Amino acid sequence: EPEVTQTPSHQVTQMGQEVILRCVPISNHLYFYWYRQILGQKVEFLVSFYNNEISEKSEIFDDQFSVERPDGSNFTLKIRSTKLEDSAMYFCASSAAVLAKNIQYFGAGTRLSVL
Amino acid sequence: GQQVMQIPQYQHVQEGEDFTTYCNSSTTLSNIQWYKQRPGGHPVFLIQLVKSGEVKKQKRLTFQFGEAKKNSSLHITATQTTDVGTYFCAAHGGTSYGKLTFGQGTILTVHP
Repeated sequence: EPEVTQTPSHQVTQMGQEVILRCVPISNHLYFYWYRQILGQKVEFLVSFYNNEISEKSEIFDDQFSVERPDGSNFTLKIRSTKLEDSAMYFCASSAAVLAKNIQYFGAGTRLSVL
Repeated sequence: GQQVMQIPQYQHVQEGEDFTTYCNSSTTLSNIQWYKQRPGGHPVFLIQLVKSGEVKKQKRLTFQFGEAKKNSSLHITATQTTDVGTYFCAAHGGTSYGKLTFGQGTILTVHP
């Protein structure tokens, strides 16, 4: 069964450093998302991406965050200058369609630890 | 913004007992989805409800969507230890590009 792949599974970084989290969505999917989950809390939407541009972003997704689809397969989330409160599990998801009947498939996540 | 409230936060049951989690929204939802997240895992899609009053079953799991499309429930009959995890409802905003708003989740533990 096709799946969303995320790397690395765990990223440890120093506060103020830049990190790039990588995702390979399901190959025929057109819509891509990033979510985060702080330990013990709910899953929160960060950003959606379609046709090489951001479709929607949350208030969490400030100027320190950016997304990119550098080639036909990868979808990345960059955090320019990490803060302690950025420590969380980051999930990438993709879907074939954006209409109300879409199903989003989640990757296994990258655990980001900011020290 | 859209908010989805989910209760209870925790549920501890003995194996064989039933379990229910509830999801409520102050606004009418276009649809609602349910996800399961195993400890240390990622959200896995279970089901989507679209129609008012809809009821769907998956083996021991029964999902309901309220008549007003503002609430939903997931009921598990005769829980098993494999049911442990966090169950999330998630609402798909009708006017947004696929954004899912998750409830807080219900953590289910099942004691053998």
